[in-house]
Amino acid sequence: SSELTQDPAVSVALGQTVRITCQGDSLRSYYATWYQQKPGQAPLLVLHGETNRPSGIPDRFSGSSSGNTASLTIAGAQAEDEADYYCNSRDSSGNHWVFGGGTKLTVL
Amino acid sequence: QVQLVESGGGVVQPGRSLRLSCAASGFTFSTYGIHWVRQAPGKGLEWVALISFDGRIEYYADSVKGRFTVSRDNSKNTLYLQMNSLRAEDTAVYYCAKDHIMDVWGQGTTVTVSS
Repeated sequence: SSELTQDPAVSVALGQTVRITCQGDSLRSYYATWYQQKPGQAPLLVLHGETNRPSGIPDRFSGSSSGNTASLTIAGAQAEDEADYYCNSRDSSGNHWVFGGGTKLTVL
Repeated sequence: QVQLVESGGGVVQPGRSLRLSCAASGFTFSTYGIHWVRQAPGKGLEWVALISFDGRIEYYADSVKGRFTVSRDNSKNTLYLQMNSLRAEDTAVYYCAKDHIMDVWGQGTTVTVSS
């Protein structure tokens, strides 16, 4: 399968922990990469190689994976974390990349 | 700093062509593959194409294969996307993104296909 599936929307109370998941067969072979996108802005890489955070990304962002599911966890969500989050991976052929449909995170 | 700047977007009629550019600075352009990714209005991200660091390998999404061509000029630190036979469904913001992990993105350029 060349698809990655995400929940369309997730909400979290300020300061609480939230997990955003991404499912797809290709995740058994390739790590997911995660991007944050705020309205009117370009996507921003927040996690790659399952657990690697680029410089400047707070350590409250972490990743994990199991089988065909990758997860992005935000521990102690802040108001500025409210955004759309997309997972990405190569597809099973290795010659195409595919994005999940995105998860809109609301911080209450 | 590491930067990508897209240009060339605009309004074009269905069936016509358009060429986008992506100018890179702040890193050794010739050592990185570069992706094109697009986002239709109000929709999610869609991967479009990848070109290898040396331009010898190209991959395309099925939705654009045969109509779009990605190329690069490493002497000019510039990436291109030639878009032919444009359709209404190609209307989107087009981004270029650095490396296989897309660690740096441009600000995007808007393409509108409409009669």
